Amino acid sequence: AQSVTQLDSHVSVSEGTPVLLRCNYSSSYSPSLFWYVQHPNKGLQLLLKYTSAATLVKGINGFEAEFKKSETSFHLTKPSAHMSDAAEYFCVVSATGNQFYFGTGTSLTVIP
Amino acid sequence: NAGVMQNPRHLVRRRGQEARLRCSPMKGHSHVYWYRQLPEEGLKFMVYLQKENIIDESGMPKERFSAEFPKEGPSILRIQQVVRGDSAAYFCASSKTPQETQYFGPGTRLLVL
Repeated sequence: AQSVTQLDSHVSVSEGTPVLLRCNYSSSYSPSLFWYVQHPNKGLQLLLKYTSAATLVKGINGFEAEFKKSETSFHLTKPSAHMSDAAEYFCVVSATGNQFYFGTGTSLTVIP
Repeated sequence: NAGVMQNPRHLVRRRGQEARLRCSPMKGHSHVYWYRQLPEEGLKFMVYLQKENIIDESGMPKERFSAEFPKEGPSILRIQQVVRGDSAAYFCASSKTPQETQYFGPGTRLLVL
């Protein structure tokens, strides 16, 4: 069975400071892992994905995530937050390909 | 290259009416997925379709909900006799193959009065 736990429902950071959004997964198979971002009343945009290649994955807008099998984690980071990063972030796991399992989301607030 | 398109973007229905949500996948994609997002929650898988076939409907409610993806035209998610609890955002995604990344549409926000 596959599942995702996003450890923080809300994260607030000051503009220019680092961002850390935590995600732990559970999967019976070698998973594919994704981070999507959703701005208010918009659709989901793919930030980055891990599919068993390099464990450190670089995405768009300066985000990156590291796959740590021993910790079953896939935390999302960014060195310096920008106001435009304020949004809802979803960690997603897929093992069988056709079903994506979403976490409950982390709402990121960026304080000017 | 247009992305996944969904319409309408917003839909208001009264209890007991029918709701029809449409999804046009990205060009070259033949795999379509529907998800539901209830307020303050993540997306939950509903159904996975290929052209003219339902592959996995394990996330669909047993009654009132149906989906199709005909040979020609968009995929349709149909909700009969809507109830207030059906109010949610419904997202469609598409992919080239089941193993590849799913790309999401902007969603249809259904409000049942």
